Amino acid sequence: DQQVKQNSPSLSVQEGRISILNCDYTNSMFDYFLWYKKYPAEGPTFLISISSIKDKNEDGRFTVFLNKSAKHLSLHIVPSQPGDSAVYFCAAKERGSTLGRLYFGRGTQLTVWP
Amino acid sequence: KAGVTQTPRYLIKTRGQQVTLSCSPISGHRSVSWYQQTPGQGLQFLFEYFSETQRNKGNFPGRFSGRQFSNSRSEMNVSTLELGDSALYLCASNREGASGELFFGEGSRLTVL
Repeated sequence: DQQVKQNSPSLSVQEGRISILNCDYTNSMFDYFLWYKKYPAEGPTFLISISSIKDKNEDGRFTVFLNKSAKHLSLHIVPSQPGDSAVYFCAAKERGSTLGRLYFGRGTQLTVWP
Repeated sequence: KAGVTQTPRYLIKTRGQQVTLSCSPISGHRSVSWYQQTPGQGLQFLFEYFSETQRNKGNFPGRFSGRQFSNSRSEMNVSTLELGDSALYLCASNREGASGELFFGEGSRLTVL
């Protein structure tokens, strides 16, 4: 069963606008969440993370929001740039588990067009 | 600082064969994890090793195995390959701790014919 779900397989956004990528989870034991970006033929690269004790974390153009009651998190990219075009994965860690054991969503393909 | 290194990058095997993939973690990282990525399936956790001991295992058949050496380098093995094993196999390492990030290698692309 997929405990981390990214229900939008793709998203297309114009350059300069905001990109919002969504992620839902079912496991209430998740206490740490991460977003990764992946280009073809490369490994995933870390973008930003958030602990379950927070509801927002910002890093430059990237902001992650966590709504624990809804079991929902989102990644906002502002402004979007063509170089942001990639597959974005949401991932989660269970409380008491290790960082090496993450649960991933299936990814959202973001395309930023000029 | 060198990143996570995986070899080989690409390989082609036939059904029934076995394959061994290698991973060198970032220097100082003692935890190594393996993930399988297939189209539309995201990343599926295979196993995690720490100090030469497997401490987490995903829901994969026994044909998938791994090990870690004293220098933290890790290998995974898939025996009796099936067509469905065609995938990108990703290795990741991290410092011990409950937060931070996983650092991924570029992966080994396995094609089973």
